Amino acid sequence: EAQLVESGGGLVQPGGSLRLSCTASAFTFSSSWMHWVRQAPGKGLVWVSRINTDGSSTTYADSVKGRFTVSRDNAKNTLYLRMNSLRAEDTAVYYCATLSTDDYWGQGTLVTVSS
Amino acid sequence: EIVLTQSPGTLSLSPGERATLSCRASQSVSSNYLAWYQQKPGRAPRLLIYGTSSRATGVPDRFTGSGSGTDFTLTIGRLEPEDFAVYYCHHYGVTFGQGTNLEIK
Repeated sequence: EAQLVESGGGLVQPGGSLRLSCTASAFTFSSSWMHWVRQAPGKGLVWVSRINTDGSSTTYADSVKGRFTVSRDNAKNTLYLRMNSLRAEDTAVYYCATLSTDDYWGQGTLVTVSS
Repeated sequence: EIVLTQSPGTLSLSPGERATLSCRASQSVSSNYLAWYQQKPGRAPRLLIYGTSSRATGVPDRFTGSGSGTDFTLTIGRLEPEDFAVYYCHHYGVTFGQGTNLEIK
């Protein structure tokens, strides 16, 4: 069964940094565009970022542009999200997902930005 | 920037009734890139409809997607207890609507 597992969330102070990881199994990760989607507590889904299959093309929501960087290592079947200059409004559960007809989502990892 | 606006924000219906959820885009979008997701509390979203009207694997045929241009609709033919959840429309890799909470009346 295809699976995505996120890790790396936690509590970080405003202005701090964090790197999330998302490890894929049981599907062809290297052929899949990948996305990060976040959800603040009690709020809706917000698309954050996407990366193409070989990592040569990335796109970001305006709210994170210049602060977040998405990357991938196809040899390790792993997607990353580097988050810098974190703000309170970045507090959310972060999901990695394929957002394709082969619909795979991770379980989410909680990032809390607070002093 | 494309903005998706869903209505109503909350829909209160009883099992067996028909639900109609709307998603309006701020500019015309390709039908190929409009999807609908269902999310239950504490769970990751689940794809229901892709390409405006194609059901994802395992989705019951009481779920129907339609629309074009700027106006899209998700219809649930006869509500089952497990259908009560939050529904999001999504323009592929760009944005989600704010969601419609389908609750039991």
